[in-house]
Amino acid sequence: GAVVSQHPSWVICKSGTSVKIECRSLDFQATTMFWYRQFPKQSLMLMATSNEGSKATYEQGVEKDKFLINHASLTLSTLTVTSAHPEDSSFYICSARDGGQGVETQYFGPGTRLLVL
Amino acid sequence: QKEVEQNSGPLSVPEGAIASLNCTYSDRGSQSFFWYRQYSGKSPELIMFIYSNGDKEDGRFTAQLNKASQYVSLLIRDSQPSDSATYLCAVNIYSSASKIIFGSGTRLSIRP
Repeated sequence: GAVVSQHPSWVICKSGTSVKIECRSLDFQATTMFWYRQFPKQSLMLMATSNEGSKATYEQGVEKDKFLINHASLTLSTLTVTSAHPEDSSFYICSARDGGQGVETQYFGPGTRLLVL
Repeated sequence: QKEVEQNSGPLSVPEGAIASLNCTYSDRGSQSFFWYRQYSGKSPELIMFIYSNGDKEDGRFTAQLNKASQYVSLLIRDSQPSDSATYLCAVNIYSSASKIIFGSGTRLSIRP
């Protein structure tokens, strides 16, 4: 099956620092990847859609200058949380779209827990 | 109206029984439908997808699709305590540039 990895799985940082999260599709090429955020006991919230070689499309209310997304290759997308603050502490999950089974399907990475002190 | 609606639960089912999870969607143009399982503290994992009307079976799981009623369901036979999780229904809504829209999930609890 399609495998998506994320790194790091956990990160703790001081307020004001920037954090980069990587999302990789390991056994398929993903022209489109997605970044979600999930707070405890809440639903997945789509932050942005990342397209290889072009600018990301951000959902309403998501600051593009704060959450920088780069999708430089067909297997790698990165999310950088700039000048992180405690309210950015959350579970960040990426997913990658795979059309190899004839139906476009999204596979999720294991997620990254961010704690900003 | 939300694009994808699910009852948040919790749905409590005795071990060994059939758990039935339901989902409705608003866009009649939707063509593919997915069920994901999310354990607490983990990311969602794909259980199965369906795109034709009728039933699709995979082990203890059966997905059912009724496009006329805009309704998709997931049946879990012989429910096990390990099936306790939140189940997310997702729909590929082509009017949103082929974006998969997730429901808010139904929390399922299997009681021994």
